[in-house]
Amino acid sequence: GAGVSQSPSNKVTEKGKDVELRCDPISGHTALYWYRQSLGQGLEFLIYFQGNSAPDKSGLPSDRFSAERTGGSVSTLTIQRTQQEDSAVYLCASSPRSGSSYEQYFGPGTRLTVT
Amino acid sequence: AQSVTQLDSHVSVSEGTPVLLRCNYSSSYSPSLFWYVQHPNKGLQLLLKYTSAATLVKGINGFEAEFKKSETSFHLTKPSAHMSDAAEYFCVVSEGSKGSTLGRLYFGRGTQLTVWP
Repeated sequence: GAGVSQSPSNKVTEKGKDVELRCDPISGHTALYWYRQSLGQGLEFLIYFQGNSAPDKSGLPSDRFSAERTGGSVSTLTIQRTQQEDSAVYLCASSPRSGSSYEQYFGPGTRLTVT
Repeated sequence: AQSVTQLDSHVSVSEGTPVLLRCNYSSSYSPSLFWYVQHPNKGLQLLLKYTSAATLVKGINGFEAEFKKSETSFHLTKPSAHMSDAAEYFCVVSEGSKGSTLGRLYFGRGTQLTVWP
């Protein structure tokens, strides 16, 4: 079946612009996670959703970052007034439910470059 | 708090020789542990997971890992490396203990595996 998909695959934006990154989870997966992979910080958690609710937003690095999920499916991560340090690969993952026993299935990522 | 330390940032082996990628973890409770692999320009793929059942866990492509609580280790091994194993490997600990609804993952910094012909 279809895996997790993310769009766009690559995004180049100018400093100060807003960007939206999209994640389509595996159908039926109620939990959805966003991570960021950068050279300096490695892979770090940003936020997760169980259904449309976000019980843990503690990984969002600043108030310029926000995310939402609608219909228990698609999620959008928005970065306002982008900065060069936001350049990274943004990864989305989904799992059947939230919880440590459930495998997270990762999408291919969106590579964001802020110039 | 949970954390993971991958002891080697780079490992190089010859094809056909054993692979050992080392990982130590820190967790407040009995953890769920995972190894993920990332091939160039590809997404993360689960190799294997430990969730408090058997301490020796077998994964895909001939990899296995042993959970050693006394050593807080979860090293990844493979008896014979193949060229296609060249990739980056991440040791990962989950936020909550078995049965927890928490699912945040904590990643190690990764080990780049090079396989020479």
